[in-house]
Amino acid sequence: GNSVTQMEGPVTLSEEAFLTINCTYTATGYPSLFWYVQYPGEGLQLLLKATKADDKGSNKGFEATYRKETTSFHLEKGSVQVSDSAVYFCALSRDTGNQFYFGTGTSLTVIP
Amino acid sequence: DAGITQSPRHKVTETGTPVTLRCHQTENHRYMYWYRQDPGHGLRLIHYSYGVKDTDKGEVSDGYSVSRSKTEDFLLTLESATSSQTSVYFCATHGPTDTQYFGPGTRLTVL
Repeated sequence: GNSVTQMEGPVTLSEEAFLTINCTYTATGYPSLFWYVQYPGEGLQLLLKATKADDKGSNKGFEATYRKETTSFHLEKGSVQVSDSAVYFCALSRDTGNQFYFGTGTSLTVIP
Repeated sequence: DAGITQSPRHKVTETGTPVTLRCHQTENHRYMYWYRQDPGHGLRLIHYSYGVKDTDKGEVSDGYSVSRSKTEDFLLTLESATSSQTSVYFCATHGPTDTQYFGPGTRLTVL
């Protein structure tokens, strides 16, 4: 079946630290992969996406590379800010029914 | 943003009462979804719709029903609310670039 596993949180970092949030997936065929971000009290917003192997998605200083050989899509940012504090969700999409499969989310807190 | 609104944004109700949550979109997206978000579970799909009057169950559909009489509206009904249905409910649509867009959520508390 289709599933996403992401690292457990919560994660607490100091401002300007390097961020990695691990995400691995299980899927048949060639899924699209996504990172969504949820700020407190809000819905999920698309952060970045990649649709095929070796693609790199990037946005707001965040990056993730679609690695088919390791079935991974790790999220990275070189220097986090307090405003990056949020919950991050990894997700995959398969064509059938246009359904998404989400990880359980990783809470990030950045302290000044 | 895909112009998705949810109502109400907050609701407190009692066990055994019916509850209806509304999702409204302005983008004419064909696919719409209802999820619930709970600590430790992330997002779980309740029901989804692939067109007017066309709906299907997700992984946690027991105790919920949906209806879609117009493209822009997708209703989620808790037939007889239970405390286990206390959660945050999100509506989403599927846009043309294979991306899901989410509403702001409804926080439901069942006492």
